[in-house]
Amino acid sequence: GESVGLHLPTLSVQEGDNSIINCAYSNSASDYFIWYKQESGKGPQFIIDIRSNMDKRQGQRVTVLLNKTVKHLSLQIAATQPGDSAVYFCAEISGNTPLVFGKGTRLSVIA
Amino acid sequence: EAGVVQSPRYKIIEKKQPVAFWCNPISGHNTLYWYLQNLGQGPELLIRYENEEAVDDSQLPKDRFSAERLKGVDSTLKIQPAELGDSAVYLCASSRTVDNEQFFGPGTRLTVL
Repeated sequence: GESVGLHLPTLSVQEGDNSIINCAYSNSASDYFIWYKQESGKGPQFIIDIRSNMDKRQGQRVTVLLNKTVKHLSLQIAATQPGDSAVYFCAEISGNTPLVFGKGTRLSVIA
Repeated sequence: EAGVVQSPRYKIIEKKQPVAFWCNPISGHNTLYWYLQNLGQGPELLIRYENEEAVDDSQLPKDRFSAERLKGVDSTLKIQPAELGDSAVYLCASSRTVDNEQFFGPGTRLTVL
């Protein structure tokens, strides 16, 4: 469920399993979405993006799914590795508005 | 290619003191961003520069925050005076243009006592 402030939603997965991280966005006019990975002590790092005219995009071990009907975005990570442990943020852009980040999800990979 | 460089990485000050953060963007990147990230939250935009011009500073608390990018390259963000609630990570990011991918620096973690 939703968490505020220090209490990030947390997902714990076994090494080698698939991970699914979800994000609900708020602006139905958003036309571009990005997933970022943020490791401790580092800035966010781009993972994958998707435009609103698509519903799926695949990268290396990652897939982003977009459901505009319910304003939902998901990030799927295949064969999760310890190095995938981080906080993951979705972000949305609408036209010329600034990048708006959603609440993060902390992914913990159990070796 | 070097990434976005920020300094200092950590800063501890007492309230009411001034503080400044420095950012060197990736070479050739015209757009520079300053973000504020509170613990457990996503980054929030403070100000965006296109070259030396601040084109979006609507979220910058102008009573105590100021920023500059004099030659369209390096940028500084200043807080004077700092308040307890300013404790956060200040992130700098850059992109070739506003429509391109943003690359983030490691941030400066500010603690105001």
